[in-house]
Amino acid sequence: GIQVEQSPPDLILQEGANSTLRCNFSDSVNNLQWFHQNPWGQLINLFYIPSGTKQNGRLSATTVATERYSLLYISSSQTTDSGVYFCAVITTDSWGKLQFGAGTQVVVTP
Amino acid sequence: DAGVIQSPRHEVTEMGQEVTLRCKPISGHDYLFWYRQTMMRGLELLIYFNNNVPIDDSGMPEDRFSAKMPNASFSTLKIQPSEPRDSAVYFCASSPDSGSNEQFFGPGTRLTVL
Repeated sequence: GIQVEQSPPDLILQEGANSTLRCNFSDSVNNLQWFHQNPWGQLINLFYIPSGTKQNGRLSATTVATERYSLLYISSSQTTDSGVYFCAVITTDSWGKLQFGAGTQVVVTP
Repeated sequence: DAGVIQSPRHEVTEMGQEVTLRCKPISGHDYLFWYRQTMMRGLELLIYFNNNVPIDDSGMPEDRFSAKMPNASFSTLKIQPSEPRDSAVYFCASSPDSGSNEQFFGPGTRLTVL
């Protein structure tokens, strides 16, 4: 099956810093989503981005499908950005099966 | 829209008991998914439905697990009998039947089997 690798596994940021999270995947995909799992365990949809670039406030994401990677940018980080960020993909031959990466644990300190 | 609704939010039970988790998808969504999250295995798909019909249940761990969707607005995941290794967070998600197959997740049910 498809491999989804996220890096770095852990990230500690000071409030106000910028960061980039990476997601590499091993096969063609027709769905790529970024989620934020907050400290209460809720999975929050950040982006649906099988290709291209999107921005939402301080967050933005870019997926280069031909090179099989996606990047999530966090700018001017805040303590509320703490949590685990997951990348998840669906391959072209397995509709419905979101395959999750292991996540990046982000801690933003005041 | 209220989003995906799950109940209960927390469930503590004893080994051997039957457990039923419930999910109400977003209105108008034709796909419903059940996922399980554990420390060891991360997030994994258990089963999904399209228009109330189970499409792929290859992720269901064993016969103790069963899922139903009697109508478009309700699904259950049942574990009978429950075992301590079933302790996990169970998420329900739904997706519209459109070009986008974006999935939206409920708040999850944290299950503890003693």
